[in-house]
Amino acid sequence: AQSVTQPDIHITVSEGASLELRCNYSYGATPYLFWYVQSPGQGLQLLLKYFSGDTLVQGIKGFEAEFKRSQSSFNLRKPSVHWSDAAEYFCAVGAGGGSQGNLIFGKGTKLSVKP
Amino acid sequence: DGGITQSPKYLFRKEGQNVTLSCEQNLNHDAMYWYRQDPGQGLRLIYYSQIVNDFQKGDIAEGYSVSREKKESFPLTVTSAQKNPTAFYLCASSIDQGLAGPNEQFFGPGTRLTVL
Repeated sequence: AQSVTQPDIHITVSEGASLELRCNYSYGATPYLFWYVQSPGQGLQLLLKYFSGDTLVQGIKGFEAEFKRSQSSFNLRKPSVHWSDAAEYFCAVGAGGGSQGNLIFGKGTKLSVKP
Repeated sequence: DGGITQSPKYLFRKEGQNVTLSCEQNLNHDAMYWYRQDPGQGLRLIYYSQIVNDFQKGDIAEGYSVSREKKESFPLTVTSAQKNPTAFYLCASSIDQGLAGPNEQFFGPGTRLTVL
């Protein structure tokens, strides 16, 4: 069965510092991977996705993620964090088609940004 | 603007009552989903629908019901059988279920349900 682990429940970084949010997945074949962001009391917004091809994926708001098959990871990065990046971030994995393509979400990482 | 709307934003329910959460999309998407979000638990799938007049149970369907009579609408009813319904409920849609693999899902703003 597919699963997603986000090891960090809460991370605090200083504004301007770099950021890396970890995501590990469990799936036998090449998964479809997503990162979403959620501001408090809001819905989720897609940051980026990986289906195939180049393992370094660029997203919106200056985020990028790298797919590493050998480590079963899809970590999210940003070189310089802005105060507006404070939010909760969710990694999700899907596989196959039809009902197998439903997304499985991690439990999220809450990001706080210090001024 | 194309998107997903959910109403109401806040909903209060007395124990023993059924309540219905609305979800409407004008993206012309075939697939729609309902998730429940609890603090520290991520998103858990309640029901999903790949096409009009068809829907399937997700991981936590007990105590919930849905209908899909129109492509753009996918209401969720939280019944009195749901023992702990206080949560944040998110509706999502995708262009289709994806024959080759999952498509990205677009989310509504959510409904916060509180049982009094």
